[in-house]
Amino acid sequence: DQQVKQNSPSLSVQEGRISILNCDYTNSMFDYFLWYKKYPAEGPTFLISISSIKDKNEDGRFTVFLNKSAKHLSLHIVPSQPGDSAVYFCAASGLTGGGNKLTFGTGTQLKVEL
Amino acid sequence: KAGVTQTPRYLIKTRGQQVTLSCSPISGHRSVSWYQQTPGQGLQFLFEYFSETQRNKGNFPGRFSGRQFSNSRSEMNVSTLELGDSALYLCASSLPTFPGLTRYEQYFGPGTRLTVT
Repeated sequence: DQQVKQNSPSLSVQEGRISILNCDYTNSMFDYFLWYKKYPAEGPTFLISISSIKDKNEDGRFTVFLNKSAKHLSLHIVPSQPGDSAVYFCAASGLTGGGNKLTFGTGTQLKVEL
Repeated sequence: KAGVTQTPRYLIKTRGQQVTLSCSPISGHRSVSWYQQTPGQGLQFLFEYFSETQRNKGNFPGRFSGRQFSNSRSEMNVSTLELGDSALYLCASSLPTFPGLTRYEQYFGPGTRLTVT
């Protein structure tokens, strides 16, 4: 049972434009959400997080939006840069499952083209 | 501040053998979690340790075990290796999370690539 889903395995965006990566979850006990970026043969790099008490969090070029009623979150990257090309994972956790147990989506490969 | 370190980075083992992987968390981080990444199953949670105690466990067989030392360093062990154990094993550290308190992000190490032949 995939509790965190990233339905787009890949996304291609032109440099300078906005990248929007989407994530859906099914477990209503999740209350903390994170986005990670990953290059091959490296560990995931933390980008940004959001608590369920908020609906938006912004950090530089990265903004995460959370829609709890739809159980949906998205990551916006503006402007997109070639160095942003990587696999992006959304992850979720809930205190009832242990605060530090992350459930990951399957990832979206982002390619930013010149 | 130094990041999460994992040793070794690459490992080749034979079916039936056992393996021990090591993780040193970021200084001050007392919670260490382990994850397995495979092409078929993605990133899956193995277990979490805090204050030398396993606090949470994922759905993996008992062949997968771990421990944490008083300096927060952690090891994971896989016994009787199977071909399907070939994966990237990732360690992550964070400040500890407790019910009702601030949540903290996890920082990952570079991983140990285990190949079982």
